[in-house]
Amino acid sequence: AQSVTQLDSQVPVFEEAPVELRCNYSSSVSVYLFWYVQYPNQGLQLLLKYLSGSTLVKGINGFEAEFNKSQTSFHLRKPSVHISDTAEYFCAVRSGGYNKLIFGAGTRLAVHP
Amino acid sequence: EAGVAQSPRYKIIEKRQSVAFWCNPISGHATLYWYQQILGQGPKLLIQFQNNGVVDDSQLPKDRFSAERLKGVDSTLKIQPAKLEDSAVYLCASSQGGQGGFNYGYTFGSGTRLTVV
Repeated sequence: AQSVTQLDSQVPVFEEAPVELRCNYSSSVSVYLFWYVQYPNQGLQLLLKYLSGSTLVKGINGFEAEFNKSQTSFHLRKPSVHISDTAEYFCAVRSGGYNKLIFGAGTRLAVHP
Repeated sequence: EAGVAQSPRYKIIEKRQSVAFWCNPISGHATLYWYQQILGQGPKLLIQFQNNGVVDDSQLPKDRFSAERLKGVDSTLKIQPAKLEDSAVYLCASSQGGQGGFNYGYTFGSGTRLTVV
């Protein structure tokens, strides 16, 4: 069965510093990976997705992620964070033929001034 | 385009009462999902519809939860009777993809926050 592990439950960082949110997956079939962001009291918004092709994926708000098949990872990065990036971030893997998503437990990014 | 609409935004009920949530997906989206997000956890799929048919309800507690999408458009999720552990945010999402389809991103609604006391 497919699963997703987000290695950090919380990541504190200062404004304008770089950040990396870690995600590892397990899958025995072709992998489709996603990062979503959830702001307080809102639904989830798609940041970026990996379907195939280039392993470096660029998303919205300056985020990017790198698919590493040998390490079964899909870490999210941003070179310089803003206060407004404070939110919960979820990594997810597509499972099965009906587009079901399996989510990790989430990483809370807290950006401090 | 209009997003995924959900109502109500918040609901507080006593245990053993019943509650219903409503979702209207993006127009033309064939697939509709209900996810349960317990505080501190990632969303967990409860049920998935393809048009008005159920394609996955393996994690739906069928003794107390039910859902329908009668005309293949909007959907209702019901809990009867509610338990304390049902306190969570219930997220509805929709996508264009069908079986084996190549649409991989969902659009989520803002969710309904349920508190059972």
